[in-house]
Parts: sequence; C-alpha cells; structure tokens
Amino acid sequence: DTGVSQNPRHKITKRGQNVTFRCDPISEHNRLYWYRQTLGQGPEFLTYFQNEAQLEKSRLLSDRFSAERPKGSFSTLEIQRTEQGDSAMYLCASSDSQGAGQPQHFGDGTRLSIL
Amino acid sequence: RKEVEQDPGPFNVPEGATVAFNCTYSNSASQSFFWYRQDCRKEPKLLMSVYSSGNEDGRFTAQLNRASQYISLLIRDSKLSDSATYLCVVRNTGFQKLVFGTGTRLLVSP
Repeated sequence: DTGVSQNPRHKITKRGQNVTFRCDPISEHNRLYWYRQTLGQGPEFLTYFQNEAQLEKSRLLSDRFSAERPKGSFSTLEIQRTEQGDSAMYLCASSDSQGAGQPQHFGDGTRLSIL
Repeated sequence: RKEVEQDPGPFNVPEGATVAFNCTYSNSASQSFFWYRQDCRKEPKLLMSVYSSGNEDGRFTAQLNRASQYISLLIRDSKLSDSATYLCVVRNTGFQKLVFGTGTRLLVSP
C-alpha cells in the first residue's frame, strides 16, 4: 500500500497524559499536513511541512502541541498534558509540490479518546 | 461566519435521483477548489478538483462561480454507494492549508 499511513489507529488515554502519533506520507510527496476533525465538523488545519521545514501553524496548535518532521520523511505529532477537548480524529495528509493546486491525500487517521 | 459554508443536510434521495449540493466561500483570495467525499468514520478522499470552466467526471459535475464565490456538485443517477458526507474545500492564495466546510450528508435509499 503506497498511501499515507498513520499509527496508531486508535489511542485511549487518561487526561493529563502525553500522546504521540506518527504519519508516513506517500513516498514521493514532500509536503505533509496535520488536521484535526471532531464529530459533525470538517477537518481543521493544524500545521504544514515542506520537507523538514514547518511553514504554517494554526492558532489551534497550542503550546501543548508539537509537530516534527526531522528528516523530511515521516512526521510525529505530540500532545502534552492531554485534555478532554483534545478528543478528536487526527488526520495526516501529503501532497506533491509540483504545479499549483495539488490535492492532498489523507491517511486513515488516529482517533484519540481522552478519559 | 465560517469561511466555507455548506448545508449539512441530510439529503435523502431515492436511487436514480439527481441531487445538487451548494457551497459558498467568503475569502476572495481562494485559489483552488475541491470536493472530497468522507464515509462514516473514514478519512476524506478526493472526489474531484473544481475548475472555473466546470468539469465532469462520470456522474459527477462540479461548477465554480468566482464572481458569486459559489461552488456546486451535481450527482446524476444516484447509487446506494454514493451515501456519504461531501466536503467542500478551498485553498487560499499564498497558503497550502485546506479550508473545509462542515460537509453535506447524502443518504441514497433503495
């Protein structure tokens, strides 16, 4: 399967714990994005990398959230001191940078539940 | 006001019906436009890009009206498998992030 891969698929944790998610983009894509989706809403943008550089960050990305893409390949999203409001589906997407308006392709997501 | 507005539905239609979804966007700097499809508890999947001249892909037709900042999706001869949430998506000039509407839910019944 050459699509975007995310793990874990599901994460259940207690409030206050730290969690880390991983995303492996489509291999030839140099752009990687993180979104969050809650029930009944469309995905909301969190952050974007081109290669290893983090170029866009949403105000939604509070100081408890950090994302990295150290070698320009896979990315991790860490949430520290989780809160109930962090419960959501965390989606990763990737795209090619060639040409304008390249569509983004999404992974299956990581569903986070905070107890 | 949300940057991308859609009627959440649900739209309940019988098999074989034609159904149209509309979407408006508020940022005149929006540059790229897409329709994504999302099945329940699954990831969004690209259905089609939307071009100013309008474009068609089988039973699906997308239209863009830049002057009115309005995007539409027409589905002809609906199938049971078309039941899903359809997300209207824009990308603004100078940014890579996608801005999603809340989605319109479609239910096609036998």
